[in-house]
Amino acid sequence: GNSVTQMEGPVTLSEEAFLTINCTYTATGYPSLFWYVQYPGEGLQLLLKATKADDKGSNKGFEATYRKETTSFHLEKGSVQVSDSAVYFCALSGGSSNTGKLIFGQGTTLQVKP
Amino acid sequence: DTGVSQNPRHKITKRGQNVTFRCDPISEHNRLYWYRQTLGQGPEFLTYFQNEAQLEKSRLLSDRFSAERPKGSFSTLEIQRTEQGDSAMYLCASSLALPRDNEQFFGPGTRLTVL
Repeated sequence: GNSVTQMEGPVTLSEEAFLTINCTYTATGYPSLFWYVQYPGEGLQLLLKATKADDKGSNKGFEATYRKETTSFHLEKGSVQVSDSAVYFCALSGGSSNTGKLIFGQGTTLQVKP
Repeated sequence: DTGVSQNPRHKITKRGQNVTFRCDPISEHNRLYWYRQTLGQGPEFLTYFQNEAQLEKSRLLSDRFSAERPKGSFSTLEIQRTEQGDSAMYLCASSLALPRDNEQFFGPGTRLTVL
């Protein structure tokens, strides 16, 4: 079945460092890919998405490119801030299923220190 | 505020008791999803409604779990004869059913603790 694998955390960075969180997926068909973020004490929020191969999703300085050849959707940010500290989830939907249900990775905790 | 709301936010119960959670989706959304999230894990899909029809259930959803969306608006998730393994955060999300606009909006969740 479809699945998502994320790099294990926690990831600890200093402010203004470069961030990469790896995400790879297994899916039949052509899924849509997402990054969700969960800030402390808050609900899940969509950060960015890409719906087809080679699409780049971007938001708040974060970017991820849908790479079908490597089945990856790595999250990057050039300069992280303390306020980016949160748990980040990679997810997919679609492929052979049209229900829209999301399949999530296990999450990666990011801690940014001043 | 017109976001997804869930009640209660926290529920503590004793093993063997029944519990019911409610989700109110964004009003124009016809799709509604339930997920379960345990500590240190990503959310796992439980079930999905399009309008009032329950169209998919995960194998995670044992016979003790039942969900309804009687009028295609709010939904309830009931767990009968709760077990300690049911302790988790239960998340609700809603979306439109349009191919180019199906972003899921999540509620704050109901945290269940089974003693």
